[in-house]
Amino acid sequence: DIQMTQSPSSLSASVGDRVTITCRASQNISNYLNWYQQKPGKAPKLLIYGASNLQSGVPSRFSGGGSGTDFTLTSSSLQPDDFATYYCQQSYRYPRTFGRGTKVDI
Amino acid sequence: QVHLVQSGAEVKRPGASVKVSCKASGYTFTSYSVAWVRQAPGQGLEWMGWISPYNGNTNYPQKFQGRVSVTADTSRTTAFMELRTLRSDDTALYFCARRTWIGEISYFDFWGQGTLVTVSS
Repeated sequence: DIQMTQSPSSLSASVGDRVTITCRASQNISNYLNWYQQKPGKAPKLLIYGASNLQSGVPSRFSGGGSGTDFTLTSSSLQPDDFATYYCQQSYRYPRTFGRGTKVDI
Repeated sequence: QVHLVQSGAEVKRPGASVKVSCKASGYTFTSYSVAWVRQAPGQGLEWMGWISPYNGNTNYPQKFQGRVSVTADTSRTTAFMELRTLRSDDTALYFCARRTWIGEISYFDFWGQGTLVTVSS
């Protein structure tokens, strides 16, 4: 199975901060990488697909980058609604696997 | 608009089975696969499998093969996930999600609200 390793596991930030989360795959997955945001007790929400494509309706302050094994998710200016847990997920090979998540709090 | 509405919470004994439903609306049900993802308390997300309602094809990770079945009723635009021989570590929030793809890139773009399954003696 492809292991997805996120870092950091948690971070503290303030409104207006630029925040970057990293996801590393255990093998080359090209750009088959998606990012989700999840709030407690709620379903995940798709933010980015194909490593860098912004899902419709997602604020433009979010961006994704990378290819191969190393990927990033960035919020250019953190907003109160962005405090949540973020997961990366690979869609390159079965079984589909997720990272363990990065919790962003104040 | 796309909606996926799941059945309510379940409490089961160890060794029993559970079947969770996911009613889809707002899109052509047979044009997209429906996936199942679970989340144990305080843990991350785990993909359990999916079904193509168009032809009934399924795909499961090896971890769940033989213990999980995903089915779909196209007349009711509803997908189902059955998990058998439940254990305490199956206690989790179970989500259904629509699988979309562009070219070879696939992702889960709409999700159900989640169904809590508690396994306890």
